[in-house]
Amino acid sequence: QSVLTQPPSVSAAPGQKVTISCSGTTSNIGNNFVSWYHLLPGAAPKLLIYDDYERPSGIPDRFSGSKSGTSATLGITGLQTGDEGDYYCATWDDSLSVGVFGGGTKLAVL
Amino acid sequence: VELVQSEAEVRKPGESLKISCKYSGYIFPIYWIGWVRQMPGKGLEWMGIIFPRDSDTKYSPSFQGHVSISADNAISTAFLEWNSLKASDTAVYFCVRHKANWKSSFDVWGRGTLVTVSS
Repeated sequence: QSVLTQPPSVSAAPGQKVTISCSGTTSNIGNNFVSWYHLLPGAAPKLLIYDDYERPSGIPDRFSGSKSGTSATLGITGLQTGDEGDYYCATWDDSLSVGVFGGGTKLAVL
Repeated sequence: VELVQSEAEVRKPGESLKISCKYSGYIFPIYWIGWVRQMPGKGLEWMGIIFPRDSDTKYSPSFQGHVSISADNAISTAFLEWNSLKASDTAVYFCVRHKANWKSSFDVWGRGTLVTVSS
């Protein structure tokens, strides 16, 4: 069981918007930056959001991140078929002294 | 900037294995390098990290004592090693670069090394 809680799956139509939640505690999300990653089979995972809401260069502004208390959210607008795949949130846990991930959310663009 | 991982490996239980992660395009020793496991059909797990400049290493308690993380600055390569593999070690292993300090995000990922342990 993952330390951070994500919904197992989300889906939306092309062009629509979707949000993916990531819930934790004061020892992880509540006290450390959150990052988000996109995994596609056979490819290197990609950093989408770091430090809660910052986008690396090359990541379109269709992707956004936010955080409130012990929960974080990834938002994706203008969905494209290429956005399908698995999304993971991550942060550091001060109590466990380890990096922690959410269980992953599979996005389907129907 | 790229992390190039070694090819897929197949081993028997009890055998040893060392997989590698070679950087290109940045100053290797000044960034923390970590390893992340993904078991078949499962999520990501943080295993541990190393700071190549001084070999400072941190392990997840879940992996401490079962794997060893090392780095060779002369060849700009990090390693993940097992002395005695178990079938449950079957997984894809990603090496990652930390963007800043050891609590920070992973801004560069390798493509992963598939390790299969089967008798």
